Amino acid sequence: RKEVEQDPGPFNVPEGATVAFNCTYSNSASQSFFWYRQDCRKEPKLLMSVYSSGNEDGRFTAQLNRASQYISLLIRDSKLSDSATYLCVVNTGGFKTIFGAGTRLFVKA
Amino acid sequence: DTGVSQNPRHKITKRGQNVTFRCDPISEHNRLYWYRQTLGQGPEFLTYFQNEAQLEKSRLLSDRFSAERPKGSFSTLEIQRTEQGDSAMYLCASSATRTESARAEQYFGPGTRLTVT
Repeated sequence: RKEVEQDPGPFNVPEGATVAFNCTYSNSASQSFFWYRQDCRKEPKLLMSVYSSGNEDGRFTAQLNRASQYISLLIRDSKLSDSATYLCVVNTGGFKTIFGAGTRLFVKA
Repeated sequence: DTGVSQNPRHKITKRGQNVTFRCDPISEHNRLYWYRQTLGQGPEFLTYFQNEAQLEKSRLLSDRFSAERPKGSFSTLEIQRTEQGDSAMYLCASSATRTESARAEQYFGPGTRLTVT
């Protein structure tokens, strides 16, 4: 079993749609959680951290469910520019950072 | 531009040759990471430095791989006797020690794409 698992997609959604991604992690001792965004042939960039109480940044909402060991990312009012791969990232408290394989999103006009 | 830089951006080499990549992190960042990414996968952790000390090394990093950060600034990743399976994007990232949660707020360089023929 992979330490961090994501649905690879692709998710094809129209502009303005709401889309949600989930990510599961296997290590219950995991301490820090993040979503990164990666555009085609570009480096990953931090989208947002995921806090225990859940957090929101504009159209993006991230939530953590420790009991079920998953994190989620909700994107509201999708824009064409949201098309990218979204990487779930887990840190177990050491220095090793585990990336999921990513979920691909295509937003169409 | 004060972001993370990596050189070269592309490297094509023949199987069996040695290659070396360089990473210059953001100047005030004391943490530096190396990752490898292949098509359709997320970055895989290779190794981590805090200042000049290499504190963690993945099992993915075989004896043919070595990384250094001699003065706690730039870092190099060397692959000896390259194999076709080494073809990948090699990414470097850096982060600062601020808070516990800041450990994984990493800033990535553009990567070095290695092709082994």
